[in-house]
Amino acid sequence: QQKVQQSPESLTVSEGAMASLNCTFSDGTSNNFRWYRQHSAKGLEVLVSIFSDGEKEEGRFTAHLNRANLHVSLHIREPQPSDSAVYLCAVRRNAGAKLTFGGGTRLTVRP
Amino acid sequence: DMKVTQMPRYLIKRMGENVLLECGQDMSHETMYWYRQDPGLGLQLIYISYDVDSNSEGDIPKGYRVSRKKREHFSLILDSAKTNQTSVYFCASTSGNSGNTLYFGEGSRLIVV
Repeated sequence: QQKVQQSPESLTVSEGAMASLNCTFSDGTSNNFRWYRQHSAKGLEVLVSIFSDGEKEEGRFTAHLNRANLHVSLHIREPQPSDSAVYLCAVRRNAGAKLTFGGGTRLTVRP
Repeated sequence: DMKVTQMPRYLIKRMGENVLLECGQDMSHETMYWYRQDPGLGLQLIYISYDVDSNSEGDIPKGYRVSRKKREHFSLILDSAKTNQTSVYFCASTSGNSGNTLYFGEGSRLIVV
């Protein structure tokens, strides 16, 4: 069964400094990766989807995927206090498979 | 407007009572999900529905059942709530046309006392 783990559990950065979040997965045949953001007491919003090795940018959010290393990361450029939230990594083996979520990283951006 | 709506948002029930959580989506998505989210455990999949009356167990279905009689509605039912079912429940929907991106509701916080 797919295992998805995120690190760190919590991260505090200053406004404007790059924030980097990590996600490792266990099934190397996975080909469908998404990063979601969850503000307190709210639902999840998708930030960026990536399906092949390399990087994918969506505004200030960039995902890097290295399937050989079973690793996908999210980098947030110029984070703002409004980016303070829980960030969830989600991995799917293929289009029809279940989505498995990591436990999340709580990001705090200090003004 | 693409939206997944959950009702109620907050609910307190006594142990043994029945619970009905409702979810609606306006995107005609075929596939809908129920997850629960607990601290340290992330999101755990309870049930998937691939379309009307086409439901499958997820990873933690015990103690839950679901109903999907219309494509736009997916209900989660707890027939006799237990204290360990205190959680935040999220509904999501997706379709192939959305690139399999899941769209989530805002969650339903259930407390069982």
